[in-house]
Amino acid sequence: EAQVTQNPRYLITVTGKKLTVTCSQNMNHEYMSWYRQDPGLGLRQIYYSMNVEVTDKGDVPEGYKVSRKEKRNFPLILESPSPNQTSLYFCASRYRAETQYFGPGTRLLVL
Amino acid sequence: AQSVTQPDIHITVSEGASLELRCNYSYGATPYLFWYVQSPGQGLQLLLKYFSGDTLVQGIKGFEAEFKRSQSSFNLRKPSVHWSDAAEYFCAVGRVNDYKLSFGAGTTVTVRA
Repeated sequence: EAQVTQNPRYLITVTGKKLTVTCSQNMNHEYMSWYRQDPGLGLRQIYYSMNVEVTDKGDVPEGYKVSRKEKRNFPLILESPSPNQTSLYFCASRYRAETQYFGPGTRLLVL
Repeated sequence: AQSVTQPDIHITVSEGASLELRCNYSYGATPYLFWYVQSPGQGLQLLLKYFSGDTLVQGIKGFEAEFKRSQSSFNLRKPSVHWSDAAEYFCAVGRVNDYKLSFGAGTTVTVRA
């Protein structure tokens, strides 16, 4: 089954404690991206990757890092989380301009 | 840079009535356009997309959307709403060169009996 998986699905952490949210897709897609969803703001792109070792900033990259060492994986790293990063995060992948597939989401609370 | 505006934050509609959700975009070239739906506590599901060709696009769950270049709009419609259509709906525009998607802020649809 074609899918995008994210882990963990729910996470509560404290300010400053580094965390990683994993994302994996099994469709051999070149393009992957991370979004955050906040009420009234829709989805905003954090980072995206057009292929292995090729990443670029989206609209709201501050406080986040990513890496793309393998085609299937695109982890999101928060080196020093802050409360304003409390949000719902989605990973997504697609092949060029085709349909974008979303993961189930990771709900993060930073205390 | 492209942008998307969904003018209606919240719409309430009676079951069986028609529904239209508005979407306006700003982009210098012909865009790729999408509508996604997010049910409560769920991820995003693609309803339909427009890349080129026929400007009236049919999607899943009985939804359709019409691309109007002159109005920079891509409005979503459904002739008869079901209670299960209560959800949040997002319009998105994709960039031709690198396929970057920009989303609108979303429209929440409430369906009353």
